[in-house]
Amino acid sequence: EIVLTQSPDTLSLSPGERATLSCRASRSIPSNYLAWYQQKPGQVPRLLIYGASTRAAGIPDRFSGSGSETDFTLTISRLQPEDFALYYCQQYSTWTFGQGTMVEIK
Amino acid sequence: QVQLVQSGAEVKKPGASVKVSCKASGYTFTDYYIHWVRQAPGQGLEWIGWILPNNGVTNYAQKFQARVTMTRDTSINTSYMELDSLKYDDTAIYYCARDGSVGYHDYWGPGTLVTVSS
Repeated sequence: EIVLTQSPDTLSLSPGERATLSCRASRSIPSNYLAWYQQKPGQVPRLLIYGASTRAAGIPDRFSGSGSETDFTLTISRLQPEDFALYYCQQYSTWTFGQGTMVEIK
Repeated sequence: QVQLVQSGAEVKKPGASVKVSCKASGYTFTDYYIHWVRQAPGQGLEWIGWILPNNGVTNYAQKFQARVTMTRDTSINTSYMELDSLKYDDTAIYYCARDGSVGYHDYWGPGTLVTVSS
């Protein structure tokens, strides 16, 4: 099983700041089969990024993904109030999720 | 527009089974895998498995292999996930999600809360 470890567990930032979230895999993920999801309290997860760097339909360009093999990053360039949420990475080679990173208002 | 509508909340006793449905609309049901994911209260996301509605082929996470069965009824565009031998820690929201093309989940159902309680 590919284990995904996200860091940090919690990120405390102010609106307008840049958020950098990390997702590290226990072994290389083939074909960059890595996705990022956003989940707000009481809501369904929403797909942000797939293929490590491709934004899903309707996702603002302040969200960007990068990385390959075992190290991946989700960057939110300028945090908006609606971006404070929980973020999960997922590898869909054999389907596992990271434990999540909470982005909270500082 | 793509929609996934799930069945309502369930309360089950330990040892019982639960069957959750997921009705798809807005796209060709047989063209896309359906995945099932669960989330225990206050916890993260856990992948359970997928079914390809076209032919009924399934793939389950090893953790659930012995207890889960995914089926589908193409006449009503509906997928089902049945979990047997329920335990207290199976209490969770169970989501169905459409596979975007190669494994990520582009559309999600609203979730079905399954509570295991004596």
